[in-house]
Amino acid sequence: GQQLNQSPQSMFIQEGEDVSMNCTSSSIFNTWLWYKQDPGEGPVLLIALYKAGELTSNGRLTAQFGITRKDSFLNISASIPSDVGIYFCAGQLESTSYGKLTFGQGTILTVHP
Amino acid sequence: NAGVTQTPKFRVLKTGQSMTLLCAQDMNHEYMYWYRQDPGMGLRLIHYSVGEGTTAKGEVPDGYNVSRLKKQNFLLGLESAAPSQTSVYFCASRRLTEINYGYTFGSGTRLTVV
Repeated sequence: GQQLNQSPQSMFIQEGEDVSMNCTSSSIFNTWLWYKQDPGEGPVLLIALYKAGELTSNGRLTAQFGITRKDSFLNISASIPSDVGIYFCAGQLESTSYGKLTFGQGTILTVHP
Repeated sequence: NAGVTQTPKFRVLKTGQSMTLLCAQDMNHEYMYWYRQDPGMGLRLIHYSVGEGTTAKGEVPDGYNVSRLKKQNFLLGLESAAPSQTSVYFCASRRLTEINYGYTFGSGTRLTVV
């Protein structure tokens, strides 16, 4: 089935550093989403992107919808310990109905104080 | 204001046993989904439902059945559990007219099949 390639798989950073992760696909998506999952919880939506080239921020988080509609990235600035978790990208294909999402493999973020 | 509630939170099954995972949402959402999460593989769609009485297969439906007899509940069944079904299962729901496509997820059910 359709897959999103998310990288990196894991990151170990110091508090205060900036973080960048991205997702790529061989197919065109009409919506890109970024989720965060805390340990023992379900994913929570961080940012949603709807148009190619769109750049959206949510506090220290910034995400962009790639011009080709086949990629997206998420940046976290000035990381803090509570940023720890798994970050997932997700996309909705143009041909997909009923809101079905395809998820990336996830990026495990560890922040050292 | 419970959102999406999954029961049970943890379960250990023996190979060949059956069980049902329950997902309940109190937001009057039309769409509901069951995903499984495995290390390094993200979330993969098992089955989904677009309304009461309707279900459809997702990416990895084999070995699972679902039912949606009531709008607020979406049940995931394993008729004969296998070790390959050891995973964390997430239910999610979404409103039909939700603009941002954001799902509301439950907190997951961790299932171990031995």
